[in-house]
Amino acid sequence: QVQLQESGPGLVMPSETLSLTCTVSSASINNYYWSWIRQPPGKGLEWIGYIYFTGNTNYNPSLRSRVTISIDTSKTRFSLKIDSVTAEDTAVYYCARGPTYGDYNDWGQGTLVTVSS
Amino acid sequence: DIQMTQSPSSVSASVGDRVTITCRASQGISSWLAWYQQKPGKAPKLLIYAASSLQSGVPSRFSGSGSGTDFTLTISSLQPEDSATYYCQQANSFPITFGQGTRLEIK
Repeated sequence: QVQLQESGPGLVMPSETLSLTCTVSSASINNYYWSWIRQPPGKGLEWIGYIYFTGNTNYNPSLRSRVTISIDTSKTRFSLKIDSVTAEDTAVYYCARGPTYGDYNDWGQGTLVTVSS
Repeated sequence: DIQMTQSPSSVSASVGDRVTITCRASQGISSWLAWYQQKPGKAPKLLIYAASSLQSGVPSRFSGSGSGTDFTLTISSLQPEDSATYYCQQANSFPITFGQGTRLEIK
């Protein structure tokens, strides 16, 4: 059973860069897609993007100019960076394995990131 | 982007009731649709994938149907533990998009 764990600062200053890491355990990072999804407090889910283990990426156009997803297969982890954050980037950020058959069966527990001075 | 619209936004039902949630895509998505259950403070849990396939370990009272633009999630006999918010999600084209959610309350 794959396990995913998000880590990173819970508070980011406006205009700074949000950085999170997802550590994968009990499964290989190879041959899968790995995604980031976020959820503002009290709101719905927003897909941020994915990275394939080869390094190929696909981002949500609404965030593409500010987002970078990278992967470190040797350390079985992948990362998210969002530049120039504002209060609208405040959300619970989830990492997930997939999409598999277009869906996500394996999720991290989520981590709340607040953008505030 | 493909817009996913769920209805109703909220529903209240009694234990044992049959509950149906609808999800409509703004354009055809074949069967590239998944349903999730989310409880407060928890990550979403996959219930249904490929529109009608039940994820392993999910109770058989959950079922999904539809293709193209119109989809339904049905709970055949509502249980107290089914109180949650339910989301549909399409993966026919990128960006992947989710419905706005349906909050299910147990009377």
